[in-house]
Amino acid sequence: AQKVTQAQTEISVVEKEDVTLDCVYETRDTTYYLFWYKQPPSGELVFLIRRNSFDEQNEISGRYSWNFQKSTSSFNFTITASQVVDSAVYFCALNAGGTSYGKLTFGQGTILTVHP
Amino acid sequence: GAGVSQSPSNKVTEKGKDVELRCDPISGHTALYWYRQRLGQGLEFLIYFQGNSAPDKSGLPSDRFSAERTGESVSTLTIQRTQQEDSAVYLCASSLVAGADTEAFFGQGTRLTVV
Repeated sequence: AQKVTQAQTEISVVEKEDVTLDCVYETRDTTYYLFWYKQPPSGELVFLIRRNSFDEQNEISGRYSWNFQKSTSSFNFTITASQVVDSAVYFCALNAGGTSYGKLTFGQGTILTVHP
Repeated sequence: GAGVSQSPSNKVTEKGKDVELRCDPISGHTALYWYRQRLGQGLEFLIYFQGNSAPDKSGLPSDRFSAERTGESVSTLTIQRTQQEDSAVYLCASSLVAGADTEAFFGQGTRLTVV
């Protein structure tokens, strides 16, 4: 079975602070995909990043960066110099189990509030 | 439209009534997914459609839940004899193809409240 754990239920920071959202996953599969999605107050999930299990390179996109470590089964997400617009719920998700389609197992989500 | 559209955006129903939730995926997207998001929780997979067929219905919580897709487009999720525990946001997502690494595009959800 697959499982995703986001231990941080809520995080509150002041604008311009850096913040890291933790994600730990469990799967017995050797091939899997990890995702991060952002859910703003409007409700729809916005895709942020996808990473496959064979690619452990860290990735940076603007103020966002992701650290994938297979040794600790973690796929953490860092926002540098946070802004009020970053306030949202962030979900880490896993596709594993040998499915050939996009069935995702989600973590509980982390509510990020950035105060001005 | 440009994105995934769901209707209604909000639905309040009395316990025991049936409800239908609608999803219009992005045009041309062959794969369609329904998820349920209970308050303060992550999304739970309900069902997956490839075209008009549903190869994976494993997430449907009970036989009160059913879904169909027609014309390889619109999908309807039906909940019969609603219960209070059915209260949640129901999210639909679609993707161009059904790949494990494929980006899914989500709608804004239908917030269902059973009173």
